Amino acid sequence: AQSVTQPDIHITVSEGASLELRCNYSYGATPYLFWYVQSPGQGLQLLLKYFSGDTLVQGIKGFEAEFKRSQSSFNLRKPSVHWSDAAEYFCAVLYTGRRALTFGSGTRLQVQP
Amino acid sequence: EAQVTQNPRYLITVTGKKLTVTCSQNMNHEYMSWYRQDPGLGLRQIYYSMNVEVTDKGDVPEGYKVSRKEKRNFPLILESPSPNQTSLYFCASSSSSTNEKLFFGSGTQLSVL
Repeated sequence: AQSVTQPDIHITVSEGASLELRCNYSYGATPYLFWYVQSPGQGLQLLLKYFSGDTLVQGIKGFEAEFKRSQSSFNLRKPSVHWSDAAEYFCAVLYTGRRALTFGSGTRLQVQP
Repeated sequence: EAQVTQNPRYLITVTGKKLTVTCSQNMNHEYMSWYRQDPGLGLRQIYYSMNVEVTDKGDVPEGYKVSRKEKRNFPLILESPSPNQTSLYFCASSSSSTNEKLFFGSGTQLSVL
């Protein structure tokens, strides 16, 4: 079955520290890959996406993600976290032939001062 | 300003009382969809619409109806709500079915007693 796994439910980092949020998907072919962020009380906002080409993609707010085909992963990274990055992050995948994104269960990021 | 507007923001109702959650977008998007968000499950698609008068079931359509009579509007209808439909609902729109960039509303928190 097509699925998206975010193994970390909750992560706490100190402000200024680096961040990596993990995402793995199940599928043979390369799907379209996305990261969304949800701030408290808000809808989701697209951070970045990968369709093809360069496996390191840059997004908004200083985030980047790297697609690794061999690991079926699309991890999100940020070199230096800001307090305003505290939010819930969702990895999403669009599998070939589907009309809907498949979302992971989310990772809640807490930033300590 | 480009936006997806959902109403109401919060709704408390009782089992069996029909309700409608409205969704409107001002970006002339063809693709619109409804998701529900539940803790630990991420977002799951309820219904989607490729264009006016074209709708189809998503992953969890049971107990819901939709209509797309105008391009900008995509209401979600619960004919006979039940407590298991208590959830956070999001409407989203995109310019294409590949969901290159989904725009989300701010969400509707529904409680069915």
